Amino acid sequence: DQQVKQNSPSLSVQEGRISILNCDYTNSMFDYFLWYKKYPAEGPTFLISISSIKDKNEDGRFTVFLNKSAKHLSLHIVPSQPGDSAVYFCAASAGNNNDMRFGAGTRLTVKP
Amino acid sequence: EPEVTQTPSHQVTQMGQEVILRCVPISNHLYFYWYRQILGQKVEFLVSFYNNEISEKSEIFDDQFSVERPDGSNFTLKIRSTKLEDSAMYFCAGTGGSYNSPLHFGNGTRLTVT
Repeated sequence: DQQVKQNSPSLSVQEGRISILNCDYTNSMFDYFLWYKKYPAEGPTFLISISSIKDKNEDGRFTVFLNKSAKHLSLHIVPSQPGDSAVYFCAASAGNNNDMRFGAGTRLTVKP
Repeated sequence: EPEVTQTPSHQVTQMGQEVILRCVPISNHLYFYWYRQILGQKVEFLVSFYNNEISEKSEIFDDQFSVERPDGSNFTLKIRSTKLEDSAMYFCAGTGGSYNSPLHFGNGTRLTVT
């Protein structure tokens, strides 16, 4: 089941720079997309979401972009901070949480 | 802020034994879920639970698995006869149920089957 793919297992950026995390999906029925952040020994924590009726959602330093034609979304963090270092999971659902599918995660390291 | 609480944080068991993983969801949540993450792999959906019954389950959730909400607060996942491949982090999650509401996850139980 590879409906949600995060092809980069890791990403390293310098503090203050932009972090861009990418996610691709295959199921055209997905209409709600989320990013979760996970620290070691903790559960995933909701970060930001976007509905398929939008192409951008912004919350402080975090912006999610959705390209429905390409079935691609990305998370931009700017400026990146060392505390942002975590594993970021992309998730998608088709109308209800029962169908939520997660990507494999991208480990972000922000270097001071 | 209310939290989803999972116990124990780490459970070690021998193959073939039964284990029960426990979760106390946020009190006003209505929908409850179990997910698991095998080390180094993605988070996988196991089962969803609403109104005291399973609403959906994945192909992973076979006859060895069961869920219960026995007393209106605890939400448990039971594995009847554990296998080595059941070793994973098991996450409980919940949501209030409004359309497109994010899941709130617990910190997980690490299950190690030896």
